[in-house]
Amino acid sequence: RKEVEQDPGPFNVPEGATVAFNCTYSNSASQSFFWYRQDCRKEPKLLMSVYSSGNEDGRFTAQLNRASQYISLLIRDSKLSDSATYLCVVTTTDSWGKLQFGAGTQVVVTP
Amino acid sequence: DTEVTQTPKHLVMGMTNKKSLKCEQHMGHRAMYWYKQKAKKPPELMFVYSYEKLSINESVPSRFSPECPNSSLLNLHLHALQPEDSALYLCASSQEEGGGAVYEQYFGPGTRLTVT
Repeated sequence: RKEVEQDPGPFNVPEGATVAFNCTYSNSASQSFFWYRQDCRKEPKLLMSVYSSGNEDGRFTAQLNRASQYISLLIRDSKLSDSATYLCVVTTTDSWGKLQFGAGTQVVVTP
Repeated sequence: DTEVTQTPKHLVMGMTNKKSLKCEQHMGHRAMYWYKQKAKKPPELMFVYSYEKLSINESVPSRFSPECPNSSLLNLHLHALQPEDSALYLCASSQEEGGGAVYEQYFGPGTRLTVT
């Protein structure tokens, strides 16, 4: 079983709509959580860290559910520029320097 | 400014060549990383440097040789590579590494390497 699992998608989203997707992690010792976005043939860029209480950054909302071991990302009022692959990233208490990446969820926002 | 720079952007090399990838950051970060990313796959960690010392080597073949000349620079020396080593090589940095805290990692634009 992979340590971090994501639905690969693609999620086809009309412009202006809301899209949400989850990421599950298997290690209960996971401590820190991040969402990165990666455009085709570009580097991953940090989108947001995910805090226990959940956090929001503009149109993006991240939630953490430790009991069920998943994190989620919700994008409101989708823009064409939101089209990207969203990588879920998890670290554990015994390997702070190592990011565990999910395989990514592709989002395609259509006009 | 969360900028990590990498040179070159593209590199084509033969299997007998020796080349180096370079990475630089001026954010005062004390941890730097090399990743390899194949198409449609997530990045795979290769090496971690913390305070200019190698702290993690993910069993990378010796044809890849990292070097950290100072806290701002990270090199990856390449020798006798194989075609399957063709990939996007990403450098990243973070404020620190280890010590019970987690710091976000910031990636450079990568070097797209083709081995012929």
